[in-house]
Amino acid sequence: ETGVTQTPRHLVMGMTNKKSLKCEQHLGHNAMYWYKQSAKKPLELMFVYNFKEQTENNSVPSRFSPECPNSSHLFLHLHTLQPEDSALYLCASSQDGARDGEAFFGQGTRLTVV
Amino acid sequence: QKEVEQNSGPLSVPEGAIASLNCTYSDRVSQSFFWYRQYSGKSPELIMSIYSNGDKEDGRFTAQLNKASQYVSLLIRDSQPSDSATYLCAVTRGRRALTFGSGTRLQVQP
Repeated sequence: ETGVTQTPRHLVMGMTNKKSLKCEQHLGHNAMYWYKQSAKKPLELMFVYNFKEQTENNSVPSRFSPECPNSSHLFLHLHTLQPEDSALYLCASSQDGARDGEAFFGQGTRLTVV
Repeated sequence: QKEVEQNSGPLSVPEGAIASLNCTYSDRVSQSFFWYRQYSGKSPELIMSIYSNGDKEDGRFTAQLNKASQYVSLLIRDSQPSDSATYLCAVTRGRRALTFGSGTRLQVQP
């Protein structure tokens, strides 16, 4: 069982669809993150949750809606996306107070918006 | 100015050589520094972390940090074709999330 698990691994959706990405971490961490990775761009931080509370939202459009029901699970709800939202979406987790910033990534969801 | 800067490469080295990857950062109060390796189509994998000035060695990897110059580097000794990947530099301070550079693509030629 890997430390951070993301589902689905691949997703193709139309611009009018609603879908959700799921992330689960089995590391006992208290912080979880969503990152977006587009071609030839640095990893872009989208959202941060510490102890289930959202602590950062990096000016992400409202068509992306995060949800963190507990410290082990993180969702990213998607609706009315645009083709430019096609990217690799990565979930990560870390333990605050230990080695700050040492984050571990899930395998990502490759999203294609058509 | 980008917060974390890396040369995009590709950096091409022959098998067995030392690969040297460099990174500069703009936030003077950054405290934690990381190197991630990302194979094509895969997610980033943490390979090194460094928190104080100087060198830190782990197997074939050595991370070097110079906070005065705002510079962090990664040396890979005895490079192997399996080391061919994109190497991401990341920095943070306190409880802030990581800020990543755009990565350097390394190619190790057999």
